[in-house]
Amino acid sequence: QITLKESGPTLVKPTQTLTLTCTFSGFSLSTSGVGVGWIRQPPGKALEWLALIYWNDDKRYSPSLKSRLTITKDTSKNQVVLTMTNMDPVDTATYYCAHCVSSYYGMDVWGQGTTVTVSS
Amino acid sequence: QSALTQPRSVSGSPGQSVTISCTGTSSDVGGYNYVSWYQQHPGKAPKLMIYDVSKRPSGVPDRFSGSKSGNTASLTISGLQAEDEADYYCCSYAGSYTFAVFGGGTKLTVL
Repeated sequence: QITLKESGPTLVKPTQTLTLTCTFSGFSLSTSGVGVGWIRQPPGKALEWLALIYWNDDKRYSPSLKSRLTITKDTSKNQVVLTMTNMDPVDTATYYCAHCVSSYYGMDVWGQGTTVTVSS
Repeated sequence: QSALTQPRSVSGSPGQSVTISCTGTSSDVGGYNYVSWYQQHPGKAPKLMIYDVSKRPSGVPDRFSGSKSGNTASLTISGLQAEDEADYYCCSYAGSYTFAVFGGGTKLTVL
């Protein structure tokens, strides 16, 4: 059974850097074809894809946020870390991580999400 | 503004069918057979309902079906049930540097 869980601060100040960790079980990020992505959802708004990392360390970023995002993986710890710099109140959202496989297009298992508020 | 356009809301009575559209461009929906659909109940994480335009993950009822024509993808839910009331999001691949673009979401109300 695949599970993912997001963790990180619930409150960050404007201009600070946000670091979120996705800890997963039931699969390995060293297995060919496997990936983990990050998606966020501001309160009452739509989903927005942020970043994705594959088993081979191939990384993809949202073009609009690329300059602020870094995604990394620690295969030994079964973790994926997303950092977002220069946080702003508009970045207030629930942040999700999700499992995907390159053989088909879809994020098939999602974490429960973690809520991040940006405020001074 | 979302990259893909969905109707803000749709509604139907139990047992009826509804279709939710998702309009993009030739750079995303129209350019690839890589569209997925997600169901999200209030306060819950999204759930994958359709992948690769028209395929259903194990456990998703066959009342849910997906299709695509040109730059528009569609999700059809037949035999509406009360538990289908939720928000639905489409998602499309948009090239090697943009893994995913989402639609603005559609609120489905079961009357």
